[in-house]
Amino acid sequence: DAGITQSPRHKVTETGTPVTLRCHQTENHRYMYWYRQDPGHGLRLIHYSYGVKDTDKGEVSDGYSVSRSKTEDFLLTLESATSSQTSVYFCAISARQGAENTEAFFGQGTRLTVV
Amino acid sequence: AQKVTQAQTEISVVEKEDVTLDCVYETRDTTYYLFWYKQPPSGELVFLIRRNSFDEQNEISGRYSWNFQKSTSSFNFTITASQVVDSAVYFCAPTGSGTYKYIFGTGTRLKVLA
Repeated sequence: DAGITQSPRHKVTETGTPVTLRCHQTENHRYMYWYRQDPGHGLRLIHYSYGVKDTDKGEVSDGYSVSRSKTEDFLLTLESATSSQTSVYFCAISARQGAENTEAFFGQGTRLTVV
Repeated sequence: AQKVTQAQTEISVVEKEDVTLDCVYETRDTTYYLFWYKQPPSGELVFLIRRNSFDEQNEISGRYSWNFQKSTSSFNFTITASQVVDSAVYFCAPTGSGTYKYIFGTGTRLKVLA
């Protein structure tokens, strides 16, 4: 199994509080991603990173920020949590084989509930 | 803009039946990569197969096979002789050659009944 660890695995927080989710990898993969999964929507990309300090927005980035200060860690911050951010969050990593995209590997997920 | 469609929301089959899951990827890219993932009830996402748009051959691996028709942007995944353990949500997730973002379909829930 790919070495990806998400923490925490479960969190309940109050509306308006900041929350940080951590993704840690031991594979030295260049690309890292944060997705959220909600019923009826599949997985939607929040932010991704293509290298240390290189990040970009995905399709549902409003209300989220990320940071990647070293290869192995990718942090997702909910600046002021809202109930609409209650979701399951997945981190993923991927690499390239030459010019070809390889498969992404996913962490176990973090279930976040905003009350 | 790219668009991925999994029109089948839920499929139910009886064990040992064959089942085909459909995925349509609309893109202007001429080179792209298609991935299938399985999400069992336990919730983890498991990589199943990868397919390149420039690979013309259809393939079989154990009980899994896939049929790619570039003309219709259709990438179908077949499970032969389904088993109860195949019950899961299946996602297709394409990515273009110039990008490393995986776009997920909304998934197809497969229920295999004993």
